[in-house]
Amino acid sequence: AQKITQTQPGMFVQEKEAVTLDCTYDTSDPSYGLFWYKQPSSGEMIFLIYQGSYDQQNATEGRYSLNFQKARKSANLVISASQLGDSAMYFCAMREGRADGLTFGKGTHLIIQP
Amino acid sequence: DAMVIQNPRYQVTQFGKPVTLSCSQTLNHNVMYWYQQKSSQAPKLLFHYYDKDFNNEADTPDNFQSRRPNTSFCFLDIRSPGLGDAAMYLCATSRDRTGTYEQYFGPGTRLTVT
Repeated sequence: AQKITQTQPGMFVQEKEAVTLDCTYDTSDPSYGLFWYKQPSSGEMIFLIYQGSYDQQNATEGRYSLNFQKARKSANLVISASQLGDSAMYFCAMREGRADGLTFGKGTHLIIQP
Repeated sequence: DAMVIQNPRYQVTQFGKPVTLSCSQTLNHNVMYWYQQKSSQAPKLLFHYYDKDFNNEADTPDNFQSRRPNTSFCFLDIRSPGLGDAAMYLCATSRDRTGTYEQYFGPGTRLTVT
């Protein structure tokens, strides 16, 4: 079974609109961290936002927010007021408490249209 | 600025010819990771070092080796590259292995095997 599921392979969004990228996860470990990374065509993975399993509030970082619904095992990324420069691949990832590396989803290719 | 540096950014090697990829970090992080990302796929963890302790993923082929001579540097050695090893190789660092610490990625090395 996949540990991280991103159901949107690609999305087209109009500039300045808000966009939600879906991510669901599967773990039985009570301690875990959820991450979102942006990967432009250049290849570098850019950290966007983090949510810990024990965090009571949803994480926010500038235009990025994470809609964390623990009971549903959902960690959707919300980008407000999208910009052309937001066009990239977006990966949701999880690190379970005792695991070493990150487990990534398959990614969502976001294209912002003018 | 503190960062993760990978050299070279692009590497072309011949089938079966050993190749070494380099990663250095100025973050003084304890953990260094190597991920393999094939075209249009999610990054996959190959192995990591926690300080000097090497940790190999169970499904990482024996063809892949790693060295960490000091805190700052980590190398990925591919002993006999095959065509299937063509990929982006991402190095990442983290302060520790627990779920709360984010991983900082380098720009990646894109490996071509001819």
